[in-house]
Amino acid sequence: QVQLQESGPGLVKPSETLSLTCNVSGGSIYSHYWTWIRQPPGRGLEWIGHISYSGSANYNPSLKNRVTISVDASKSHVSLRLSSVSATDTAVYYCAKDGSGFFFDYWGQGALVTVSS
Amino acid sequence: DIVVTQSPDSLAVSLGERATINCKSSQSVLYSSNNKNYLAWYQQKPGQPPKLLIYWASTRESGVPDRFSGSGSGADFSLTISSLQAEDVAVYYCQQYYSTPYTFGQGTKLEI
Repeated sequence: QVQLQESGPGLVKPSETLSLTCNVSGGSIYSHYWTWIRQPPGRGLEWIGHISYSGSANYNPSLKNRVTISVDASKSHVSLRLSSVSATDTAVYYCAKDGSGFFFDYWGQGALVTVSS
Repeated sequence: DIVVTQSPDSLAVSLGERATINCKSSQSVLYSSNNKNYLAWYQQKPGQPPKLLIYWASTRESGVPDRFSGSGSGADFSLTISSLQAEDVAVYYCQQYYSTPYTFGQGTKLEI
């Protein structure tokens, strides 16, 4: 049973960089894509981007050049960095694993990140 | 981007009755080479992450009760709960994974 656990600072100042890590356990990080999705409080879901175990990444153009997703297969970690944050980036950030297509069959519990001075 | 629109935004159904949620995409998500619809459904309860219910538009995820079913093709899809149970109260989302950026519907809140 794959388990995903997000971790990182819960409070980030405006214009700074949000950094989160997803620890993957109970399964192999290989042969899958790993995705970050966010959900502003009381709102819907937004796909941020994904990365393969080999490091091939794809991002949501709405986040322009602010987002970077990386993978450390040796540590079974997937990381998210979002630069130049503002209040609109306040959200619960989820790490998820792709199924046999790019739907998401395992999710972490999510990490709430608040952007505020 | 493919825009995914759900209807209705909220729905109240009596226990034991049928609930149907609709999902429309701005373009077809049917991939002709494999005849698969790239659409999934999720259930989200308060304070929890979304849970995968249905993928490929009609394939039920392991462990999901058979009262949940997905149907449709091309750009029009539905999620049906055949006999509503109290534990089905949640927000339901559809998601297209035909092309990036993958996009979700706005959600449908299902109440008793």
